Amino acid sequence: AQKITQTQPGMFVQEKEAVTLDCTYDTSDQSYGLFWYKQPSSGEMIFLIYQGSYDEQNATEGRYSLNFQKARKSANLVISASQLGDSAMYFCAMRGTGANSKLTFGKGITLSVRP
Amino acid sequence: NAGVMQNPRHLVRRRGQEARLRCSPVKGHSHVYWYRQLPEEGLKFMVYLQKENIIDESGMPKERFSAEFPKEGPSILRIQQVVRGDSAAYFCASSGTGDTDTQYFGPGTRLTVL
Repeated sequence: AQKITQTQPGMFVQEKEAVTLDCTYDTSDQSYGLFWYKQPSSGEMIFLIYQGSYDEQNATEGRYSLNFQKARKSANLVISASQLGDSAMYFCAMRGTGANSKLTFGKGITLSVRP
Repeated sequence: NAGVMQNPRHLVRRRGQEARLRCSPVKGHSHVYWYRQLPEEGLKFMVYLQKENIIDESGMPKERFSAEFPKEGPSILRIQQVVRGDSAAYFCASSGTGDTDTQYFGPGTRLTVL
C-alpha cells in the first residue's frame, strides 16, 4: 500500500521569499511517481510538478522544484520567490504503475503568502 | 486545447435521488480516474477506467455507486439513492497512457445532498 504524509500545519511566507512544503511517502514499489498539485480557493486541482522514482535529477518547473531524497522517502516542494497567487492548498501525491496507477494523496498543506 | 470537462459543476439532490456526474477527458486520453474530496480532506481514489473497461474499482463503495466509460461519450459516475454523506467534491482526471502519464484534473462537481 502507498501512503503520503503531510504533517505541517498552515504555512505562512512573506511575498518574494522561498518556502518548502514537506512530503514523506511510503511504498514497497520500486517504480513510482511523485506529484504536487495546487488547489486554490476556487477548487480546481492544478498540476505543478512530477518526479519519477528513477530520475536522478530533482525536477524543476519554473519557480517550483522538488527536493527528492529517495533514501529518506521525502519529496519536498520548494517554491521560490513566492507570489500572492501562491496562496492555496498544496497536495503531495504518489502513483504506482500499471493497474495501480491511481494517485494516493496526502491531507494537504495550506500556504498563505503575506504581502 | 480543451482540458478535462466536468458537468454539472454544482449539483443539488435530495436524499434518495440519483446523481449523475459526467467527465469528458482531454482529447486523445483514454484513461479516466474518479476521486472524491470530502470537506477539509485530500482526494480519495474511487475508480480507474479505460474505454469500456473498469481497471481498478478498489475505492468505490460497494453499494449505490457505479461508473462507466463507454466507447463513445463521456465517463459517468452514478450515485443512486444519495445520502447526506455523499456530499463532496467529485473530481475526474485523465491521462494518456495511464501508467506513466500525468493525470490532469477537471474542475470538479460539487454535490450537495439536502
